[in-house]
Amino acid sequence: QSVLTQPPSASGTPGQRVTISCSGSSSNIGSNTVNWYQHLPGTAPKLLMYYNDQRPSGVPDRISGSKSGTSASLAISGLQSEDEADYYCATWDGSLNGVVFGGGTKLTVL
Amino acid sequence: EVQLVESGGGLVQPGGSLRLSCVDSGFTFSSFWMTWVRQAPGKGLEWVAIMNEDGGGQYYVDSVKGRFTISRDNSKNSLYLQMNSLRAEDTAVYYCAKVGKLGWNFDYWGQGTLVTVSS
Repeated sequence: QSVLTQPPSASGTPGQRVTISCSGSSSNIGSNTVNWYQHLPGTAPKLLMYYNDQRPSGVPDRISGSKSGTSASLAISGLQSEDEADYYCATWDGSLNGVVFGGGTKLTVL
Repeated sequence: EVQLVESGGGLVQPGGSLRLSCVDSGFTFSSFWMTWVRQAPGKGLEWVAIMNEDGGGQYYVDSVKGRFTISRDNSKNSLYLQMNSLRAEDTAVYYCAKVGKLGWNFDYWGQGTLVTVSS
């Protein structure tokens, strides 16, 4: 059972907009910024969003992040087949004194 | 170009030990926190341990406290994970990652090294 809660799966057709949620508590998302990672099996995970809504260089602006209270979300618009991957949210948890990840969301492009 | 290359994984019996290494290049290693993250077969990413710039501070996930030790050698641009008393549930791909300056983000990752704990 992960400290951060994500839906196990999400899907959309090419061109659609998909949103992935991440729910936590006051000790993690409520008091720290959220980061998002994209992971394709057999490859190194990739930082997709940091500090809630900041895109690293090279990440397209059709991908956005937001945070409100103890929840965060990642939105991908103009869905493409290359977006099919696992997505994880993560943040620092002050009660656990460590980084916590969500359980991951498998995004399927239909 | 930032590069992180892990090594040291392999097959080990329950109760055994293994030391992972991560050699880094392309950035000023001594200026950044570093971390280990793992992924067990069929499971999600799990944070394992993190260390500050000079090695004076570290944090661990509860499940490895007292068994794993994170360390670094800034003169060799290297990060280590000493794993003792290994259990079957420690079987995973272990990634080292560089910690970015804002908000505990892991901005660069290695390709990972597989640790299998089995008799």
